[in-house]
Amino acid sequence: DAKTTQPTSMDCAEGRAANLPCNHSTISGNEYVYWYRQIHSQGPQYIIHGLKNNETNEMASLIITEDRKSSTLILPHATLRDTAVYYCIVRSGAGNNRKLIWGLGTSLAVNP
Amino acid sequence: NAGVTQTPKFQVLKTGQSMTLQCAQDMNHEYMSWYRQDPGMGLRLIHYSVGAGITDQGEVPNGYNVSRSTTEDFPLRLLSAAPSQTSVYFCASSLTSGPYNEQFFGPGTRLTVL
Repeated sequence: DAKTTQPTSMDCAEGRAANLPCNHSTISGNEYVYWYRQIHSQGPQYIIHGLKNNETNEMASLIITEDRKSSTLILPHATLRDTAVYYCIVRSGAGNNRKLIWGLGTSLAVNP
Repeated sequence: NAGVTQTPKFQVLKTGQSMTLQCAQDMNHEYMSWYRQDPGMGLRLIHYSVGAGITDQGEVPNGYNVSRSTTEDFPLRLLSAAPSQTSVYFCASSLTSGPYNEQFFGPGTRLTVL
């Protein structure tokens, strides 16, 4: 199963872009990259996912390198409410095995 | 829609007691799952279900039972609680088990076993 590596923590100034990197060098061709975040004491919240192409939604953009070995989540204009732990996850398994392998994520602090 | 709801929010048990953590969703989702989250560790999958009547084990199933008699409900049972089961438990659901479906998480149940 593909694993992910993320920095333990990052800081970002309010109003600036937050760029959160993720390494998934062992990802296989049919595995998706997911991003979730968890605000303190709450359940995780889905942000975005992608396979090969870059993706954008109302929350963030996901940039996946051409070799798919790494990706970057971009929060274009970070606010204090974006302070959370961000998880980069690679979906593993096939058939009915739909588990996502969660690491420890990146703790993002958005500072005023 | 209420989304994914979990009860109770907090629970304290003594070793050996049994209890059921409740999880319900009103989005007609096929896929439901239970995770536990411990300090210093990522979320770990306990059990999951791809539809009513179908359940399977995740990464850490020992000490837990599940059933899925309806699409809406996916209770997690602890038959004989142990201190090692002290954790925060999250229930999640998604439309299907396919790779393009986001999971919706409940608010969690914080369980302490003394």
